[in-house]
Amino acid sequence: GNSVTQMEGPVTLSEEAFLTINCTYTATGYPSLFWYVQYPGEGLQLLLKATKADDKGSNKGFEATYRKETTSFHLEKGSVQVSDSAVYFCALGDVSGSRLTFGEGTQLTVNP
Amino acid sequence: GAGVSQTPSNKVTEKGKYVELRCDPISGHTALYWYRQSLGQGPEFLIYFQGTGAADDSGLPNDRFFAVRPEGSVSTLKIQRTERGDSAVYLCASSPQGAAYGYTFGSGTRLTVV
Repeated sequence: GNSVTQMEGPVTLSEEAFLTINCTYTATGYPSLFWYVQYPGEGLQLLLKATKADDKGSNKGFEATYRKETTSFHLEKGSVQVSDSAVYFCALGDVSGSRLTFGEGTQLTVNP
Repeated sequence: GAGVSQTPSNKVTEKGKYVELRCDPISGHTALYWYRQSLGQGPEFLIYFQGTGAADDSGLPNDRFFAVRPEGSVSTLKIQRTERGDSAVYLCASSPQGAAYGYTFGSGTRLTVV
């Protein structure tokens, strides 16, 4: 079945540091890939997505590239801010359209 | 509405009781999903509706869990004979096109079974 593996957290960075959160997946076919973010006290929000191999999703300075050869969708940001502190979830959308499979989440804390 | 609305936001119930959790999706979204998120974990799929029918209920953990969407809009997740292990945040999401394009999630209902 489908599965998503995220790098273990928590991750603590200083403001303006470079961020990478690793995500790899196992799936049949050609799934869509997503990053969701959950800010403290708020619901899950879609951060970015990619629907086919080599697509790059981007939003709010975050980027992730759909790499089919390495089955990866790593999240990157060149310069994090304190306001980026949140839990980040990598997710895979199956080709039938019925469900998302989530990773366990990575807690990011950015200190001033 | 402007977003996915879930009520109540918090529910505390005694073990063995029956609970209903409500989800009001974004107007016009035909696909509706229920997920369960335990502390420190990612959301886990429960059930998916396309219109009024449950297109995929394979994530429901057992027959104590049931969900309906009688008019293709509001959905209710029903849990019978609650157990302490049912304690979690129950998330609802809706989408105009299905999982491949991403969803909009509600803020969830935090269920605590004591």
